[in-house]
Amino acid sequence: GESVGLHLPTLSVQEGDNSIINCAYSNSASDYFIWYKQESGKGPQFIIDIRSNMDKRQGQRVTVLLNKTVKHLSLQIAATQPGDSAVYFCAENRRGNKLVFGAGTILRVKS
Amino acid sequence: DSGVTQTPKHLITATGQRVTLRCSPRSGDLSVYWYQQSLDQGLQFLIQYYNGEERAKGNILERFSAQQFPDLHSELNLSSLELGDSALYFCASSVGHGLAGGLTDTQYFGPGTRLTVL
Repeated sequence: GESVGLHLPTLSVQEGDNSIINCAYSNSASDYFIWYKQESGKGPQFIIDIRSNMDKRQGQRVTVLLNKTVKHLSLQIAATQPGDSAVYFCAENRRGNKLVFGAGTILRVKS
Repeated sequence: DSGVTQTPKHLITATGQRVTLRCSPRSGDLSVYWYQQSLDQGLQFLIQYYNGEERAKGNILERFSAQQFPDLHSELNLSSLELGDSALYFCASSVGHGLAGGLTDTQYFGPGTRLTVL
């Protein structure tokens, strides 16, 4: 079936380095994507979103890239900090369908 | 703070019991979604209500039920509890009905209720 999945279940980075979290989606009809961050014991927190008519969107220290040709989404975090340690979920929203969440990637930041 | 509130924060109960979890959506949001998150699974969508009516059902057990009230708050009722029901239960809300595929469907999550069944 159609799904949103993550390539890497765990990513470890050194504090100050840039992080890249990847996500693959299988439905080319998906038109809206969201990244969520979930810290331990807390609810998922909205980070950034992107529509399918864009290939890049920037926020504060975060950038989301969308490659529709290969159905790939990535979240880049600049100058990763210990507070960035969390589970990151990508979610896919298709017109006429419900939001579908990926399995999640654990980001560990080493000091 | 997302603006979504959930009570209680923690709940400990015994097998066979029944509990009610409560959620208040963000001001102006009409949709409420319920999710279950256990240690070995991701976010499992349970059910959605939009403006008081059930909109979509996911992997919700027959022992579970929910409703959305006229003031748009929602309650998730879990009955005949089993050990395997121990999990985090999240509520999320959005402006829209979840089918437009855009900003109005972005879901904002509450802090969750941690349910422990002993």
